[in-house]
Amino acid sequence: DIQMTQSPSSVSASVGDRVTITCRASQGISSWLAWYQQKPGKAPKLLIYAASSLQSGVPSRFSGSGSGTDFTLTISSLQPEDFATYYCQQANSFPPWTFGQGTKVEIK
Amino acid sequence: EVQLVESGGGLVQPGGSLRLSCAASGFTFSSYEMNWVRQAPGKGLEWVSYISSSGSTIYYADSVKGRFTISRDNAKNSLYLQMNSLRAEDTAVYYCARVERDPMGGLGFDYWGQGTLVTVSS
Repeated sequence: DIQMTQSPSSVSASVGDRVTITCRASQGISSWLAWYQQKPGKAPKLLIYAASSLQSGVPSRFSGSGSGTDFTLTISSLQPEDFATYYCQQANSFPPWTFGQGTKVEIK
Repeated sequence: EVQLVESGGGLVQPGGSLRLSCAASGFTFSSYEMNWVRQAPGKGLEWVSYISSSGSTIYYADSVKGRFTISRDNAKNSLYLQMNSLRAEDTAVYYCARVERDPMGGLGFDYWGQGTLVTVSS
């Protein structure tokens, strides 16, 4: 199985900050990576697929990059509604589709 | 509007069974692959099971293989998860999620239900 490792596990940031979250795959997954945002008590929401393609309706302050084993999710200017937990997911090889352990973005 | 609505969760004793349902609306259900994903309290996301649009291809996570059965009824726009021999570690919110495949490559779970809580406890 492909393991997905996110870092950091949590990050404290202020409104307006640039935030970067990293996801590393245990083996190459080309660009088969998705990013999700989850707020407490809510279902996850797809932000990015194919490593860098923005899902319809997602603000342009979110961006993704990377290929192979190393990927990043960047929020260019953090907004109050962006405080949430973010998960990466590999979509290259299944079963199983595997998720990272999550990164919680908290208010500084 | 695309909607996925889960039901069937609840409290069950270890060794018991539950059947979850996911009612789909707002899209052509029979054209989409579907999944069950779960989240234990305070934990991350865990993929549980996948079913192709026709139901002909099915996969399970090792943690549920042999105990859970995924199925779908395209005439009723519904997805199901039959859960048998339940264990305490199956306690989680269970989500159904639709697969979206981009023609240029890439894949994501683009719509999720609100989740249904399954608690396995004596």
